[in-house]
Order: sequence, then structure tokens, then C-alpha cells
Amino acid sequence: EDQVTQSPEALRLQEGESSSLNCSYTVSGLRGLFWYRQDPGKGPEFLFTLYSAGEEKEKERLKATLTKKESFLHITAPKPEDSATYLCAARMDSSYKLIFGSGTRLLVRP
Amino acid sequence: DAGVIQSPRHEVTEMGQEVTLRCKPISGHNSLFWYRQTMMRGLELLIYFNNNVPIDDSGMPEDRFSAKMPNASFSTLKIQPSEPRDSAVYFCASSSPGQGAKNIQYFGAGTRLSVL
Repeated sequence: EDQVTQSPEALRLQEGESSSLNCSYTVSGLRGLFWYRQDPGKGPEFLFTLYSAGEEKEKERLKATLTKKESFLHITAPKPEDSATYLCAARMDSSYKLIFGSGTRLLVRP
Repeated sequence: DAGVIQSPRHEVTEMGQEVTLRCKPISGHNSLFWYRQTMMRGLELLIYFNNNVPIDDSGMPEDRFSAKMPNASFSTLKIQPSEPRDSAVYFCASSSPGQGAKNIQYFGAGTRLSVL
């Protein structure tokens, strides 16, 4: 069964304390791995798409990487405004569907 | 661009009543998706339209749910009759044909539905 699993469920960091969020996937023929950020009361906001193992993308304090089995979202020197739920989603080959993980709730304390 | 626009933002209704959620996709986008988000099940795809035509409605939970897309700039999701277990946040998302394999879906702010 196609599945996307995120860990940890929740993560508390001090401002400046770097860490990583994990997204493992078991899908047939990955066509894209997507990262979204969701703030309370809002819809998911697109961050990155990764297409092949070894690919990396960066945006400010965030860097996403992809292997054949998982993706990581690295957060370097986070700030309180990085607090949000981070969702990853996998798109299978020849499909429009995105299979979402359950998300990681990140809290960055000042 | 104004992004995907959903209305209402909040809806409180009583069990048995009809509920209609509305969505205006981003101009020029030809794919539209309706999702439901709950704590227990996360984000689930309900139905997908391409060029105003429903392509996959396998995620629609029951016959009480129906969706339409009469034109490229408007879609509705209707629940009739509503039940307490339908309480959730409903999101609409759209994507552009020009993205090809990228298929980046852009989400609206959602409608929080509470059925009492």
C-alpha cells in the first residue's frame, strides 16, 4: 500500500537549535516529493518539490533532501516564526494524486 | 493573484441540514481538488476535476457528498444531509496545466465545518 510517514509527530526547539524532520515513503514509482508548511487556521503553503534521489533544494533556513526511501527537511538556526506544521506528500508515477503524511508540528521557542 | 478563494471560512449547522462549500480556483488553473482534513485522518483527497470534468471521486465518503464544477472558475462541494462526523476542515486546491509533472497544488484557506 502506498504510504507516507512523518516523524517526529511534534518537535520543540530552542531558537537557533538546528534539527531535521523525516518523511519516509513507500509508493510505486515516485514522481515527486512535496513539502508544505501549514500555519494554524490556514491552508498548506507550498515549499519544495524534489524529483530524484540526491536532489536538494533550499529556501532561507530550510533545506530539503531526497533519497530513494525518504526525504529530510533540515532547519538551520530556526526562529520562532518557523513554528508551523510541516507536511510532506508523495506523487506516484502516472498519477495526479498526492498522498500526504500526518505532519510534524514544530514549535520554536525564543 | 488572489490565490484559491474558499467560502465560507466557517460554517456551523445542525445535523440533517444541507451544507454547500464554495471554491474559486486560481485563474488559468485547470485542475481542482477537494480535500478534507481531520486530526484522525489528516488530509484526504475527496474528488479531482480536470477541465471541469470529475476524474476521480473515489474519495467521496458517501452519497451524501456531491461536487460540481460548472465552469473553470467555480466549484461547489455539497453535503446533504450533514452529520456530526462530517465536521472537519475542507480545503480546495488548484494546479496549472503548464506545470506538467510538477503538479504543484495551491491550497485555499479552507472552510471549517461544524455539524452539531
